[in-house]
Amino acid sequence: NAGVTQTPKFRILKIGQSMTLQCTQDMNHNYMYWYRQDPGMGLKLIYYSVGAGITDKGEVPNGYNVSRSTTEDFPLRLELAAPSQTSVYFCASRELSAGAFFGQGTRLTVV
Amino acid sequence: AQSVTQLGSHVSVSEGALVLLRCNYSSSVPPYLFWYVQYPNQGLQLLLKYTTGATLVKGINGFEAEFKKSETSFHLTKPSAHMSDAAEYFCAVSEQNQAGTALIFGKGTTLSVSS
Repeated sequence: NAGVTQTPKFRILKIGQSMTLQCTQDMNHNYMYWYRQDPGMGLKLIYYSVGAGITDKGEVPNGYNVSRSTTEDFPLRLELAAPSQTSVYFCASRELSAGAFFGQGTRLTVV
Repeated sequence: AQSVTQLGSHVSVSEGALVLLRCNYSSSVPPYLFWYVQYPNQGLQLLLKYTTGATLVKGINGFEAEFKKSETSFHLTKPSAHMSDAAEYFCAVSEQNQAGTALIFGKGTTLSVSS
C-alpha cells in the first residue's frame, strides 16, 4: 500500500518557467490537499478538493492551479514560477473523520 | 473561520521530563482535532485525533491529548520525554460535517530533548 505519492522530490526552476507537481493516492480518499511549508510558518493550505471534479481555494492560492479529474490524482500546477514560490510542497489525503496521510514532499527552488 | 494557535514555537525539556505542547483552536462548531509530528526532511505523521466521544485521546509513541471544549484547547502531553521525541509538532483542526472542509494547521512547535 503506497499511500500518498508525490513526484518529483526535488526540482529547481528558473523564474517564469512552469511545472506540475504530481500527487497520487491509492486509499480511495475523497479529500485531498496541497500545502506549502516555509520555515517558522507551519503549513499553508493552497488548494483542496472534496472529490473528483470539485476543487476550492485555500489560504494562499495565488500563482497555483489544480485539477481533480479522478479520485486518485490531484496535480498542482505552477504557471509562472517566482522566487516567492520556493518552498516545500506537501500533498495529503483523508476521509473526513480520519487523520490525513501525507506524501514525502517536493522541495522546490525557484532561481 | 477556523484557526489554530500553538503557544510556543520552541519547547525544550530534559530526557525523562514531562512534555506539554499547547494548542488552542477557534471554531464555530465542535471540530475534529489532530496532532502531527514531523521529523527532519520527512512528511507529517499522525500522532492522534479527536473526533467524538472520549475527550482524552491516546496516540502513538506514548502521547496523549485532552479535548477541553470550555477552554477551546487540545494540549499534547507525554509523561516522560525520550531523545527520539525531538521533532516538530503540529496541531490541526477541521470542522465536522462541512462540505468542502479544509484542514488547517498551526505554525508548529519544535521540541528539543536534552540528555
